[in-house]
Amino acid sequence: DGGITQSPKYLFRKEGQNVTLSCEQNLNHDAMYWYRQDPGQGLRLIYYSQIVNDFQKGDIAEGYSVSREKKESFPLTVTSAQKNPTAFYLCASSIDRFGPRGGELFFGEGSRLTVL
Amino acid sequence: AQTVTQSQPEMSVQEAETVTLSCTYDTSESDYYLFWYKQPPSRQMILVIRQEAYKQQNATENRFSVNFQKAAKSFSLKISDSQLGDAAMYFCAYRRQGGSEKLVFGKGMKLTVNP
Repeated sequence: DGGITQSPKYLFRKEGQNVTLSCEQNLNHDAMYWYRQDPGQGLRLIYYSQIVNDFQKGDIAEGYSVSREKKESFPLTVTSAQKNPTAFYLCASSIDRFGPRGGELFFGEGSRLTVL
Repeated sequence: AQTVTQSQPEMSVQEAETVTLSCTYDTSESDYYLFWYKQPPSRQMILVIRQEAYKQQNATENRFSVNFQKAAKSFSLKISDSQLGDAAMYFCAYRRQGGSEKLVFGKGMKLTVNP
């Protein structure tokens, strides 16, 4: 079945450590996104990538980094520079960057990061 | 900048009844898209319904329909014959028409369905 796989589902980090969240899709979508979800805040865009080897900062990119070396993969690294990393992280992809379906996002099940 | 507002953080509805979730947005654009997303307790978000701003006809998807009022910048979601599986967080979202435009989400609204 096609879809988006995020791992791990739960992750614990000590302060000062970098952690990487995995996101893999087999939908053949060009665009991929990382969102952060906090209670009462909705979804905030961290980074997005429209094409391989290219990505752009979203609204809250500070303290995060990404790469897009393959179409299927868009890992997110939460660095020690991120001051409040405890949150739920959602990866998404979309089929059509330019038309209405560019807003039709397919989401993974999310990764819950907790800083100890 | 575009903003999306969901003013009601929580709502409840009785099973089989109808409920309307409200959403307003702010934009100076004339061409854009609007969406409702659902996030059930399992937390995987899915698209419920989509509306293109240039279309006057309100979108419908089975028990889900929208009331799109472009002049008022209002985009409400009506759920008919509510089912227990409709219980979820619902997010309204906006996307400007264009190549690399991102989705702007509202803060979400929690819907409870009472048996």
